[in-house]
Amino acid sequence: NAGVMQNPRHLVRRRGQEARLRCSPMKGHSHVYWYRQLPEEGLKFMVYLQKENIIDESGMPKERFSAEFPKEGPSILRIQQVVRGDSAAYFCASSRAVLAALQETQYFGPGTRLLVL
Amino acid sequence: DQQVKQNSPSLSVQEGRISILNCDYTNSMFDYFLWYKKYPAEGPTFLISISSIKDKNEDGRFTVFLNKSAKHLSLHIVPSQPGDSAVYFCAAPVKSGAGSYQLTFGKGTKLSVIP
Repeated sequence: NAGVMQNPRHLVRRRGQEARLRCSPMKGHSHVYWYRQLPEEGLKFMVYLQKENIIDESGMPKERFSAEFPKEGPSILRIQQVVRGDSAAYFCASSRAVLAALQETQYFGPGTRLLVL
Repeated sequence: DQQVKQNSPSLSVQEGRISILNCDYTNSMFDYFLWYKKYPAEGPTFLISISSIKDKNEDGRFTVFLNKSAKHLSLHIVPSQPGDSAVYFCAAPVKSGAGSYQLTFGKGTKLSVIP
């Protein structure tokens, strides 16, 4: 019973390049959440997606960041023209049902650590 | 603005003793709280939760206490074990404009259990 999978685990990019982070939710989960953790900070919500739909992107920076969760394949968090301030750990979580039921638990992946040189 | 606050960045406890991790919140509308545990290079894992209709929830060595009037909750680990050494995050679901919930996290407390 595989958990949430993220790849790559580590990603190094130079300023101005693009970063693509992938997340495969747990089997049977159709809700995906992306969080970012800056050094010495807690996790900050970025975006919530269901298959082919962005439900809530209130935590996403307005520029350079985008996310998708296609019908087939993993969810992708894309960062264009990366800057040093994008260096962080990016975590993906999935849940079986929408987190409208407060008790529904989110299961987290191991994260992708992005370093921008 | 930080709606969930963990004011102690770190805590050291002797093996076998009690660990107490604290969390304060500002939003009186919160009615559910979760604790996550995180090891280095891994994602957070759910540990224990509590609904606002309760003031205590216990699961083995882990107990969470909720004081609604003080907007404060705490996680007690008894007895503490070296394997409990990790970062502990307090979190609460926040309703978004889209009608769903997202989690808001505290900054975490790094617990070190000394053998």
